[in-house]
Amino acid sequence: DVVMTQFPPSLPVTLGQPASLSCNSSQSLVYSDGNTYLTWYHQRPGQSPRRLLYLVSIRDSGVPDRISGSGSGTDFTLKISRVEAEDVGIYHCMQGAHWPWTFGQGTKVEIK
Amino acid sequence: QVQLVQSESEVKVPGASVTVSCKASGYAFITYYMHWVRQAPGGGLDWLGLISPSGDPTLHPKKFKGRLILTRDTTTSTVSMKLSGLTSEDTAIYYCAGGPVATRSLDSWGQGTLITVSS
Repeated sequence: DVVMTQFPPSLPVTLGQPASLSCNSSQSLVYSDGNTYLTWYHQRPGQSPRRLLYLVSIRDSGVPDRISGSGSGTDFTLKISRVEAEDVGIYHCMQGAHWPWTFGQGTKVEIK
Repeated sequence: QVQLVQSESEVKVPGASVTVSCKASGYAFITYYMHWVRQAPGGGLDWLGLISPSGDPTLHPKKFKGRLILTRDTTTSTVSMKLSGLTSEDTAIYYCAGGPVATRSLDSWGQGTLITVSS
């Protein structure tokens, strides 16, 4: 199975400051169709996950443009340009290029 | 996207089986692959399997072979997951989720169903 590794596991951030979350995969996430199937989800406390970014960098409807995704192959990054209070929670990356699909262990973002 | 409403939380004894259902609304459901994901207390997300729009095929990791059955009723827009041989390690919140095959991701999630396995 493809192992997804996220770091850091916990990220204290200051409101208004940037944040960077990393996700690495044990195999390339480039599928046979040429697409890279890496997705980011955000989970607030007590809520279900919500998709933020798919195909590495495409934002879902309603996701602010201060949140962005980048990367290729096996190394991926989610960046928040200016952290707001609503950004707290756990960020999960997931690969959909290989069966079974697998998730990282998550990065918990909290306000300092 | 689709709206997904799951069945209520349950408590089961070790060795029992549990069925969690998930009712969908929204036209896109007929094209969605539907997935099941679980989250142990304080843990990460664990992908359990998927069922195609027609109900066949289904796909799940080898570790669930023989224990997990996924079904889909297109007439009621409902998917269900049956997990048998429960142990305390199966205690988790179970989510149904779905998305279009083109993105290989999950854009719609249910509210979650807590399954507690305890003697």
